[in-house]
Amino acid sequence: KNEVEQSPQNLTAQEGEFITINCSYSVGISALHWLQQHPGGGIVSLFMLSSGKKKHGRLIATINIQEKHSSLHITASHPRDSAVYICATDTGNQFYFGTGTSLTVIP
Amino acid sequence: DGGITQSPKYLFRKEGQNVTLSCEQNLNHDAMYWYRQDPGQGLRLIYYSQIVNDFQKGDIAEGYSVSREKKESFPLTVTSAQKNPTAFYLCASTGQGPGYTFGSGTRLTVV
Repeated sequence: KNEVEQSPQNLTAQEGEFITINCSYSVGISALHWLQQHPGGGIVSLFMLSSGKKKHGRLIATINIQEKHSSLHITASHPRDSAVYICATDTGNQFYFGTGTSLTVIP
Repeated sequence: DGGITQSPKYLFRKEGQNVTLSCEQNLNHDAMYWYRQDPGQGLRLIYYSQIVNDFQKGDIAEGYSVSREKKESFPLTVTSAQKNPTAFYLCASTGQGPGYTFGSGTRLTVV
């Protein structure tokens, strides 16, 4: 079983701040996903990573396979970024999910 | 647009009743999954299906049943044997390409 740990669990930021959410996992994976869950419950896939770094707009995701660690960065945060961010690992057989980081961005 | 449709969004059930949650996808994805989400916990896998007419138990399958008679559909039945069914249920699917598509979820409450 892959243990997936996220930090922090809760995060409050002022609009415009640079935000980092971390994810660590315990076993080898084929890919790591960053997901965004809105207050209504719907989940959107933000990134799928197997190595290196990906960027989409103000969001950047990085992964270090050797250290079994990934980070999600949000630049110039905005209140609409307020959501729960979930890290999910794909071992090839199954997905394992972190408990999520609840982000609130204050205007 | 392609996607996953879960219905209903909110569902109330009396204790002792079975209830079925719908999940339909038009993405032509082979694999479909049901997850349960409880406050403060990560998503937990209930059942998954990688091909029509075949499905496997996940980590918390007790008290649940599924069927996969069509590629597009993967309904989940919460039976009266499920001791604590109140939760948020998410359906997901994966296909040949990268990515993992989720439905919008069904919030089940036992009254």
